[in-house]
Amino acid sequence: ETGVTQTPRHLVMGMTNKKSLKCEQHLGHNAMYWYKQSAKKPLELMFVYSLEERVENNSVPSRFSPECPNSSHLFLHLHTLQPEDSALYLCASSQGTQETQYFGPGTRLLVL
Amino acid sequence: AQSVTQLGSHVSVSEGALVLLRCNYSSSVPPYLFWYVQYPNQGLQLLLKYTSAATLVKGINGFEAEFKKSETSFHLTKPSAHMRDAAEYFCAQGAQKLVFGQGTRLTINP
Repeated sequence: ETGVTQTPRHLVMGMTNKKSLKCEQHLGHNAMYWYKQSAKKPLELMFVYSLEERVENNSVPSRFSPECPNSSHLFLHLHTLQPEDSALYLCASSQGTQETQYFGPGTRLLVL
Repeated sequence: AQSVTQLGSHVSVSEGALVLLRCNYSSSVPPYLFWYVQYPNQGLQLLLKYTSAATLVKGINGFEAEFKKSETSFHLTKPSAHMRDAAEYFCAQGAQKLVFGQGTRLTINP
């Protein structure tokens, strides 16, 4: 595997479910990001991790819970989501938070 | 707050024609500026970036962009469109906290 990978690529869940999105980067980077891409809205930054510490939480509801166990992996834990949370969730990584971000293919989430 | 405006949510050009996608940024200091491309069902791929070196930046797939401070613009161009260029294009500014424009969907007509 190369670059940034995300699993699953597609996810359908009910509002009472708990699920997790996984991101893995194979670039040796030390910063990772979660973005939300909704239809007809600009990409929104959700979380930033640098050296496994959260450095940015962009006013995201608590039903989204990130986890960064090491510099190569990033998770987004989901629980009691709403239909309006349906979107494409993109992960990115960079070598330092001031450097170019490289994106994964995204997880398309549908909340019923 | 920083913002990025992409003029035109949809642009359609003929194959072989000039591609021009417009981006204006707001920043009081020299910005980092980026263009990303998103093909259907894929993530974002970096096309090019400006980091205060040369004002004309060359990217992949024959694209280039020119930084014009006086116009606060960073428009993306390609001299001759190809069918494979059909995608959505995003302009962004910033470093740690990237701010994206709304995107421009480029359609190529045969």
